[in-house]
Amino acid sequence: QLHLQESGPGLVKPSETLSLTCTVSGGSISSSNHYWGWIRQPPGRGLECIGSIFYSGSTYYNPSLKSRVIISVDTSKNQFSLKLSSVTAADTAVYYCARHPSDYFDAFDIWGRGTMVTVSS
Amino acid sequence: DIVMTQSPDSLAVFLGERATINCKSSQTVLHSSNNKNYLAWYQQKQGQPPKLLIYWASTRQSGVPDRFSGSGSGTDFTLTISSLQAEDVAIYYCQQYYTTPFTFGPGTKVDIK
Repeated sequence: QLHLQESGPGLVKPSETLSLTCTVSGGSISSSNHYWGWIRQPPGRGLECIGSIFYSGSTYYNPSLKSRVIISVDTSKNQFSLKLSSVTAADTAVYYCARHPSDYFDAFDIWGRGTMVTVSS
Repeated sequence: DIVMTQSPDSLAVFLGERATINCKSSQTVLHSSNNKNYLAWYQQKQGQPPKLLIYWASTRQSGVPDRFSGSGSGTDFTLTISSLQAEDVAIYYCQQYYTTPFTFGPGTKVDIK
């Protein structure tokens, strides 16, 4: 059964870069047409798509974050990663990784449990 | 961006009664090439990630109880819980995946009356 697990620092200083990794287990990140995405949820608020990546490296980014976001993939480690630069308190959120099951233009069918990231000095 | 709105913001229903949640998109999410609505519904319980319930507006995800159903087309959609169970207490979100950036509704909180 496919499992996704987010990892990374829980505290990041303002103006620094947030870095998270999602490890995929129980299946290959390179299989079929799956895209792999990042979604975030500020405390007590709704969900925001950050971007997604295909194992080949093809990416889609939310235009509102595009200037600060890099999503990359490491097929040898079965992982994909998120880097968000120049963070502020507004970037404080639970960050989820998730899978699009058959294409980028698809829902998210499997989610990680999420990791809380706080931006504070 | 496509703006997703949901109504009501919250609702409380007796156990065994029907719960209905509405979702509206600011533009159509019906793709003319395949006649599919690029609309999903998720359930999020406290402290948990969202769980996919419905995709293509009306297709139930594997393992989701059949008391959950989705309907609608174009810009107006509905999630119905036909007989509310205690374990259905959660926030429900709709999401469009028709165009980037994919966007979610603000959520509807469902409680037991």
